[in-house]
Amino acid sequence: AQTVTQSQPEMSVQEAETVTLSCTYDTSESDYYLFWYKQPPSRQMILVIRQEAYKQQNATENRFSVNFQKAAKSFSLKISDSQLGDAAMYFCAYRSGVLNSGYALNFGKGTSLLVTP
Amino acid sequence: NAGVTQTPKFQVLKTGQSMTLQCAQDMNHEYMSWYRQDPGMGLRLIHYSVGAGITDQGEVPNGYNVSRSTTEDFPLRLLSAAPSQTSVYFCASSYADQQGFRRGYTFGSGTRLTVV
Repeated sequence: AQTVTQSQPEMSVQEAETVTLSCTYDTSESDYYLFWYKQPPSRQMILVIRQEAYKQQNATENRFSVNFQKAAKSFSLKISDSQLGDAAMYFCAYRSGVLNSGYALNFGKGTSLLVTP
Repeated sequence: NAGVTQTPKFQVLKTGQSMTLQCAQDMNHEYMSWYRQDPGMGLRLIHYSVGAGITDQGEVPNGYNVSRSTTEDFPLRLLSAAPSQTSVYFCASSYADQQGFRRGYTFGSGTRLTVV
């Protein structure tokens, strides 16, 4: 099974600053999808951004962007102009693109992001 | 609103009791799954289904049972609750094709279960 590693259990950033959350993964597949999910204290799982492995261009969603390094199997999330509402647990997740592979999302253990005024 | 509905949101059980966590989706998703979330462990897959009548085990299936009689519903049964099953449980669904892969999952709001 593919493993996803988030090496930063906790991160802190000041409001309006930029922070980068790290994620690495292990796979032998060439076709897959990567995701970042945000989980605020409400417990809801919110999709922040996604990346298809076959796309070389890094995904961007407003203040959120990724640095996808396929050869290095790295998928970091950059949050620009951090806001108090960005404080949450962030999960990196991997999904195989192979049909009939089981369809499971493999999650990292999460990074807790604290945003200070 | 379309989405995944989980009930109940909170539950306290005594050791040895049984119960069913309900999950329903109205998006005609083929794929449904149950995860549990424990502190420092991320989300781990319990069981999943790729369509009505088809289920399979995930990473941590012991002590749980599932069935899928309709596309919409995917209940999770705890047969004899144990304190180790204290956790937050999430149901999630998606299309079982490339569109589903690209979009990721739609999650329910979770059930916090405490077994005493």
